[in-house]
Amino acid sequence: DQQVKQNSPSLSVQEGRISILNCDYTNSMFDYFLWYKKYPAEGPTFLISISSIKDKNEDGRFTVFLNKSAKHLSLHIVPSQPGDSAVYFCAAKIDSNSGYALNFGKGTSLLVTP
Amino acid sequence: KAGVTQTPRYLIKTRGQQVTLSCSPISGHRSVSWYQQTPGQGLQFLFEYFSETQRNKGNFPGRFSGRQFSNSRSEMNVSTLELGDSALYLCASGRAQKETQYFGPGTRLLVL
Repeated sequence: DQQVKQNSPSLSVQEGRISILNCDYTNSMFDYFLWYKKYPAEGPTFLISISSIKDKNEDGRFTVFLNKSAKHLSLHIVPSQPGDSAVYFCAAKIDSNSGYALNFGKGTSLLVTP
Repeated sequence: KAGVTQTPRYLIKTRGQQVTLSCSPISGHRSVSWYQQTPGQGLQFLFEYFSETQRNKGNFPGRFSGRQFSNSRSEMNVSTLELGDSALYLCASGRAQKETQYFGPGTRLLVL
């Protein structure tokens, strides 16, 4: 059962424009969310996270929005750059639990064209 | 500071064999998690170790096992390999429960 879903397998955006990657989750116990970026032949790289007590977190060009009532989060990249082309994974965990078990979505492949 | 290292990077095995993968976490990190990535299922959590104890386990058969040593290095073992075990196996380490985890480059396993 996929508890974290990324319904868009791919997204193409022009350089300089905004990229919006979406993620939905079904488990209401999830209270900590993360985005990872992955290049081919490399492991995922942590980008940004958000706790369920917040609805927005910013880090430079990256902003994550969380809508708990809709069980939805999104990652905004502004402005998009060609180097942002990668697969983006959304992940969620139950932060109050001991341990660190991430539930991942299947990823969205972002292509930023010049 | 060196990142998470995984060995070997590539591995080819045949059905029925067993395999052991190794992960060396970032210095000072005591939590090590393992994930399996396949095209069909995406990234799935296998198990997590903290201070040599398994703290969490994903929904995988008993053929998948792991352990962690006193220096925090971890190994993952898969016995009686099946074709469906072909995947990228990723290891991630973190300092503690609330800390971000950092991934290694993975071991690509091909089962023929």
